[in-house]
Amino acid sequence: EVQLVDSGGGLVKPGGSLRLSCAASGFTFNNAWMSWVRQAPGKGLEWVGHIKSKPDGGTIDYAAPVKGRFTISRDDSKNTLYLQMSSLKTEDTAVYYCTTDVSYVDIVATRAYYFDYWGQGTLVTVSS
Amino acid sequence: SYELTQPPSVSVSPGQTASITCSGDKLENKYVSWYQQKPGQSPVMIIYRDSKRPSRIPERFSGSNSGNTATLTISGTQAMDEADYYCQAWDSSTVVFGGGTKLTVL
Repeated sequence: EVQLVDSGGGLVKPGGSLRLSCAASGFTFNNAWMSWVRQAPGKGLEWVGHIKSKPDGGTIDYAAPVKGRFTISRDDSKNTLYLQMSSLKTEDTAVYYCTTDVSYVDIVATRAYYFDYWGQGTLVTVSS
Repeated sequence: SYELTQPPSVSVSPGQTASITCSGDKLENKYVSWYQQKPGQSPVMIIYRDSKRPSRIPERFSGSNSGNTATLTISGTQAMDEADYYCQAWDSSTVVFGGGTKLTVL
């Protein structure tokens, strides 16, 4: 059974830093592409970024609002995904979910990218 | 940047068919996924690649994508289907979510 356990959330002041973790089990983590998706209180879903598996190049991509402030990394020996957040803003307040990702490219090179499993989420509150 | 537009709310009577739309420019040229989120819970993927349904998801959920609109259809809607629903696609190396639709079963 796939399990993703998100942790590390809390209250932090604007300009501060925080590191989130996602402990994974029930699948071959080192082959998995993983993402962070966030949801501000009462709002919709927003993709934060993803990290490909090392066999697929380990590339990391970020959404524009977090680029340069957030860093995604992985430790395949610990089956753990991380999100290092710095220069935090009040608008970063959200529940952060880690996900397992599926990337599929069809014969005409159209990509499907979707999230098949989600963690339980961890709340990050940025406030003075 | 690419945008996906959903109606904020849809209402349906128990046992009837609910349709939730997701609109975007030439959306039929992209693959759409759908997620269900109940209050206080994490999202769950219910449709991927426009119309494919994971085995754990009931058959009453189906999806289609044509022209500029993708549609999530729930046949024989049950009270337990009351939730927020989000569409999602991939565009220009980034993930795009729709704003979400609250489905009320009354």
